[in-house]
Amino acid sequence: DQQVKQNSPSLSVQEGRISILNCDYTNSMFDYFLWYKKYPAEGPTFLISISSIKDKNEDGRFTVFLNKSAKHLSLHIVPSQPGDSAVYFCAASDRGSTLGRLYFGRGTQLTVWP
Amino acid sequence: NAGVTQTPKFQVLKTGQSMTLQCAQDMNHEYMSWYRQDPGMGLRLIHYSVGAGITDQGEVPNGYNVSRSTTEDFPLRLLSAAPSQTSVYFCASSSSRSWAAGETQYFGPGTRLLVL
Repeated sequence: DQQVKQNSPSLSVQEGRISILNCDYTNSMFDYFLWYKKYPAEGPTFLISISSIKDKNEDGRFTVFLNKSAKHLSLHIVPSQPGDSAVYFCAASDRGSTLGRLYFGRGTQLTVWP
Repeated sequence: NAGVTQTPKFQVLKTGQSMTLQCAQDMNHEYMSWYRQDPGMGLRLIHYSVGAGITDQGEVPNGYNVSRSTTEDFPLRLLSAAPSQTSVYFCASSSSRSWAAGETQYFGPGTRLLVL
């Protein structure tokens, strides 16, 4: 049972435009959310995170929005650049867990074309 | 500082063979973990360790064994490979066991395993 869902396997955006990647979760105990970026033949790298006490977190061109009532978060990339082309994974964690274990979505392949 | 290294990068096994996937980190991290990634699936936790001598099961542990004799190394063993274990395996390490561990997890480049 997938507790973190990324329903769009792919997204194609023109350079300079906004990319919006979506993620839904089902477990109400999740209170910490992360986005990872993955290039081919490399491991995932941490991109940005948000705690459930916030509804927005911004880091340069990347902004993550959290809607707790809808159990939905999104990653906005503005402006999109060709170097942003990668697979983006949404992940969630329950801070009550002693492990800080992450649950990952299936990923969204973002392609930014010139 | 090499970060997290994994060997081999690619391996082909026959059903029933055994092998060990190696993982090493040079950041003195306490927390290490193994994930597998299958096509169309997210990363799923196999086993993890919160320090030398301490390991535990994750979400999909069946068919895999781990040990943690040193802080640096966290090998993953397949005792009798099955086609269902064809996957890409990622090792990760972190300096924190807390809920924020995900933010500081560093992943290795992965090992691609094909079981025939």
